[in-house]
Amino acid sequence: QQQVKQSPQSLIVQKGGISIINCAYENTAFDYFPWYQQFPGKGPALLIAIRPDVSEKKEGRFTISFNKSAKQFSLHIMDSQPGDSATYFCAASIGNQGGKLIFGQGTELSVKP
Amino acid sequence: DAGVTQSPTHLIKTRGQHVTLRCSPISGHKSVSWYQQVLGQGPQFIFQYYEKEERGRGNFPDRFSARQFPNYSSELNVNALLLGDSALYLCASDRGASGNSPLHFGNGTRLTVT
Repeated sequence: QQQVKQSPQSLIVQKGGISIINCAYENTAFDYFPWYQQFPGKGPALLIAIRPDVSEKKEGRFTISFNKSAKQFSLHIMDSQPGDSATYFCAASIGNQGGKLIFGQGTELSVKP
Repeated sequence: DAGVTQSPTHLIKTRGQHVTLRCSPISGHKSVSWYQQVLGQGPQFIFQYYEKEERGRGNFPDRFSARQFPNYSSELNVNALLLGDSALYLCASDRGASGNSPLHFGNGTRLTVT
C-alpha cells in the first residue's frame, strides 16, 4: 500500500516534443506529490509538486496533472530540450511524515536534438 | 546559501567494516532525512531526524543507525557492511514544520563495498 508505480522506465523524445511520465499510488493517505529531476552524479532536485486539492499545476514548461479518483498523477514536459535529459522520479508522502518520501522507480528521459 | 552538503563524496570499504557518512543541512533547516539509492532505482527512505529526535525509520536492519547534532548536522552509521550496501547515500533537509516543506537533497556519498 506504500508503493508508487512509475512508467515508462525509459523515454526518448524529439526536441520540441512533449514528454509524459505517469505515476500511480495506492495509499489514499498520501497528500503531497513532488517530482524530482536527477542528473548523473547529482542528488535529486525538486522540480514541481502538487497537493490533491488541485487537478493541475503548471510551472514554466512543466505541468503536473492529478487525478484523485484514479489515484494517478503525471508530469508533462512541454517543448522538451536536450538539457531536460535526466532521470525523473515521482514521489508521495503523508502530511505528518514530510521527510519520508516514497519514490517511484524512475524514468530515464532522453531528448534527441 | 549553501545547499545540503555531504562528505565524503566517494568511499570504498571492505565487507564487515563500518562506515560513517556526514551531512550538513541547509541553514535554517531543522530536519534531516537519509535515503539509500541503489543504481537504477528510486531513493529509499532510511531515517528522519528532527530536533535531534528520530521521527521516522524505514525498513532497514539495525546495522543502520543515525543521529543528529545540536547544530542540526547528522551522521549515518552502517556497521558490518555487506556487498548489498553499495549504493548512493543521500541526505535531505527541510524546515521540519508540518505541512510538507520541500525536501532538498545533497549530491550524496557513493559507497562501494568490496
